[in-house]
Amino acid sequence: RKEVEQDPGPFNVPEGATVAFNCTYSNSASQSFFWYRQDCRKEPKLLMSVYSSGNEDGRFTAQLNRASQYISLLIRDSKLSDSATYLCAVNTPGGGGADGLTFGKGTHLIIQP
Amino acid sequence: NAGVTQTPKFRVLKTGQSMTLLCAQDMNHEYMYWYRQDPGMGLRLIHYSVGEGTTAKGEVPDGYNVSRLKKQNFLLGLESAAPSQTSVYFCASSQMLAGAGNEQFFGPGTRLTVL
Repeated sequence: RKEVEQDPGPFNVPEGATVAFNCTYSNSASQSFFWYRQDCRKEPKLLMSVYSSGNEDGRFTAQLNRASQYISLLIRDSKLSDSATYLCAVNTPGGGGADGLTFGKGTHLIIQP
Repeated sequence: NAGVTQTPKFRVLKTGQSMTLLCAQDMNHEYMYWYRQDPGMGLRLIHYSVGEGTTAKGEVPDGYNVSRLKKQNFLLGLESAAPSQTSVYFCASSQMLAGAGNEQFFGPGTRLTVL
């Protein structure tokens, strides 16, 4: 089983719709979870951290389900500018506190006018 | 405040040549990382550093060496480049904050082609 798995998509969604992605992780010792956004040929940019209690930032909501070992990202009222690849990242428990991140391969989202 | 910067942005090497990729950050972060990103493989950790003078291996360290002589710089070296090292290389840095986990911030990347 791969460590972090995402549906690669693409998800083709009309503008204004709500879209949700899931990401599953295999290491039950993982403690930190993140969603990154990556535009074509650009670097990943942190979208939001995922806390145990969930996290909301404007139109974006992230949830963590430790029992089932997955995190989710919900985008409401989607905009054309939301078109991108969304990467799920999970910490890799290691020494020194500088946990490397294990990334999923990303979910490609296309918002259509 | 430039954040994380990487040089060069692009490079073409011949098999067997060597080169060094430079990463610099001005956020006073303790931790720095090198990742590679390949189509269909996602981002994979090569090496990382928890502080000046320290380095550690990540998921795919073979064929690479690193050095962290100064807190703000993290160098990635390829001693004898191979076509399998054709990739996009991203550097990242982070600072562990209580309650915030290990949020990593990425540089713009270096696109390397090995012929």
